[in-house]
Amino acid sequence: AQSVAQPEDQVNVAEGNPLTVKCTYSVSGNPYLFWYVQYPNRGLQFLLKYITGDNLVKGSYGFEAEFNKSQTSFHLKKPSALVSDSALYFCAVRAIYNFNKFYFGSGTKLNVKP
Amino acid sequence: NAGVTQTPKFRILKIGQSMTLQCTQDMNHNYMYWYRQDPGMGLKLIYYSVGAGITDKGEVPNGYNVSRSTTEDFPLRLELAAPSQTSVYFCASSSAGASQETQYFGPGTRLLVL
Repeated sequence: AQSVAQPEDQVNVAEGNPLTVKCTYSVSGNPYLFWYVQYPNRGLQFLLKYITGDNLVKGSYGFEAEFNKSQTSFHLKKPSALVSDSALYFCAVRAIYNFNKFYFGSGTKLNVKP
Repeated sequence: NAGVTQTPKFRILKIGQSMTLQCTQDMNHNYMYWYRQDPGMGLKLIYYSVGAGITDKGEVPNGYNVSRSTTEDFPLRLELAAPSQTSVYFCASSSAGASQETQYFGPGTRLLVL
């Protein structure tokens, strides 16, 4: 079975500091991994994805994510947080047996304080 | 540039009532999805469609029905509303081919069943 886990319900960081939002996955085979962001009262927006290749993936708004196969992780990172980065972040994995199915984590609320 | 639109934004239903959540996309995407998001939980896939006339069940299809008569529209039908269907519903779409895994989400429909 495919699944992702986001171990932190909430992450607090000061503006200007680096941020990390954690995600671990459980997939048999090579995973297709994604990060989405959700602002209040809005739908999810795509940030970045890992399909294959370089383990460090760069995405929108200065975010990047590092794929680590040995640790089955796909943590979202940003070198310098902005207050406007405060939102709900979801990690997702695409099903191996059915490319039309995606499984989302429970979400991590990121709070960036000025 | 409308993208994915959903109506209504908010609805209160009584137990046993029925309703249709509307979803329309103007990007000529083949793939469309319906998710529900419960408080503190990730998104759960209800139904998806790979093209007009083709639909399939996701993780949590019970209590829902869908149809896809056109590329643009993918309505979700609740026949006998139950309190367990209180949730936020998101429609999403994606194109075929290499970009299929990037989903575009609508703003959501908040449903309360009393």
